[in-house]
Amino acid sequence: KQEVTQIPAALSVPEGENLVLNCSFTDSAIYNLQWFRQDPGKGLTSLLLIQSSQREQTSGRLNASLDKSSGRSTLYIAASQPGDSATYLCAVRPGNTGTASKLTFGTGTRLQVTL
Amino acid sequence: NAGVTQTPKFRVLKTGQSMTLLCAQDMNHEYMYWYRQDPGMGLRLIHYSVGEGTTAKGEVPDGYNVSRLKKQNFLLGLESAAPSQTSVYFCASRPGGQGNTEAFFGQGTRLTVV
Repeated sequence: KQEVTQIPAALSVPEGENLVLNCSFTDSAIYNLQWFRQDPGKGLTSLLLIQSSQREQTSGRLNASLDKSSGRSTLYIAASQPGDSATYLCAVRPGNTGTASKLTFGTGTRLQVTL
Repeated sequence: NAGVTQTPKFRVLKTGQSMTLLCAQDMNHEYMYWYRQDPGMGLRLIHYSVGEGTTAKGEVPDGYNVSRLKKQNFLLGLESAAPSQTSVYFCASRPGGQGNTEAFFGQGTRLTVV
């Protein structure tokens, strides 16, 4: 059974700092990995999707990397801003067929960027 | 562009009452999912559907039923609500097939069972 772990559970950084969020998964047979952002009381917003054949994806100040063989992904946020404060979730999609692409989620990292 | 819409957004139920949560998507997606989110446990899959007229159990299906009579709608029912079903419920959808496509989520339904 796939298990996804995110460390740390919570993080507080001053504005302007670069930071790294970690996601690890136990079964390396994944199809892709998706990073989401969740604001308090809101739904999930997709940030980046990395295919299993890719090493990284970039969108603006966000960069996500994937090391499938070691079961790890990192989300790098450059020059953090207070507006980045949210919970960040990673989710993996299994690589085997017949699974209807069910995502397995980590428990998230709650990020607070202070002024 | 609506995307994935969930109704209602909030609901308080008494133990033993029933209710139906509605998820509607306007993206012509084949796959739809219902998750629940509880503190410290992440999102867990309740039921899912790979197309109109099909449903299947996820990780935590007990106490819930679903129906997908129309492609755009996925209903989650609680026949006899229990306090353990207090949670935030999220619906998601995704295009079918094995392509590298993203899942899209609704805004959630916060359910409290007293």
